[in-house]
Amino acid sequence: GAVVSQHPSRVICKSGTSVKIECRSLDFQATTMFWYRQFPKQSLMLMATSNEGSKATYEQGVEKDKFLINHASLTLSTLTVTSAHPEDSSFYICSARPSTGGDNQPQHFGDGTRLSIL
Amino acid sequence: AQSVTQLGSHVSVSEGALVLLRCNYSSSVPPYLFWYVQYPNQGLQLLLKYTSAATLVKGINGFEAEFKKSETSFHLTKPSAHMSDAAEYFCAALFSGGYNKLIFGAGTRLAVHP
Repeated sequence: GAVVSQHPSRVICKSGTSVKIECRSLDFQATTMFWYRQFPKQSLMLMATSNEGSKATYEQGVEKDKFLINHASLTLSTLTVTSAHPEDSSFYICSARPSTGGDNQPQHFGDGTRLSIL
Repeated sequence: AQSVTQLGSHVSVSEGALVLLRCNYSSSVPPYLFWYVQYPNQGLQLLLKYTSAATLVKGINGFEAEFKKSETSFHLTKPSAHMSDAAEYFCAALFSGGYNKLIFGAGTRLAVHP
């Protein structure tokens, strides 16, 4: 089945540090990838849609200068949390949608990254 | 407005009992519908999907869901719960004109008791 690898799985760092999270589709190409944030005991909140070769589309209220997204290839998207602060601590999850197979292709999710800012 | 509603944030069943997790959508055009499962500190795993081919959809781990247009529902069921089914379940929809964005329900936490 379709596999999405997300790395790292857990990050603990000091306030002010920038953190990069990678999302890779291992056995399929993904023109579009998605970045979500999940607070404890809550559903997923879409942060941005990552488009290969073009700028990401951010949801309302998400700071694009704070959460930098790069989608340089059909199998890799990265999310960089710049100058992270304790309020950025959360569970970040990426997903990828196969480029082929039609509009009803499901998104496949990575295992998430637990970010803790001290 | 297009939305997904999961009735019941917590469901508790005994091992071997029927599992029923409810999902309703709101839109004039039926969306594509998905059920995902999330185990602690992990991402989401696709259980099954409805893409208008068949109204009764069978997924992994013995789960199935039935699409009912008249009720705008896509409830998830499993005849006999297993302890390993304890997890968070999310219903999600891909609406027409939704720019490929999945709209998630709030989730239902399933507890299974021995």
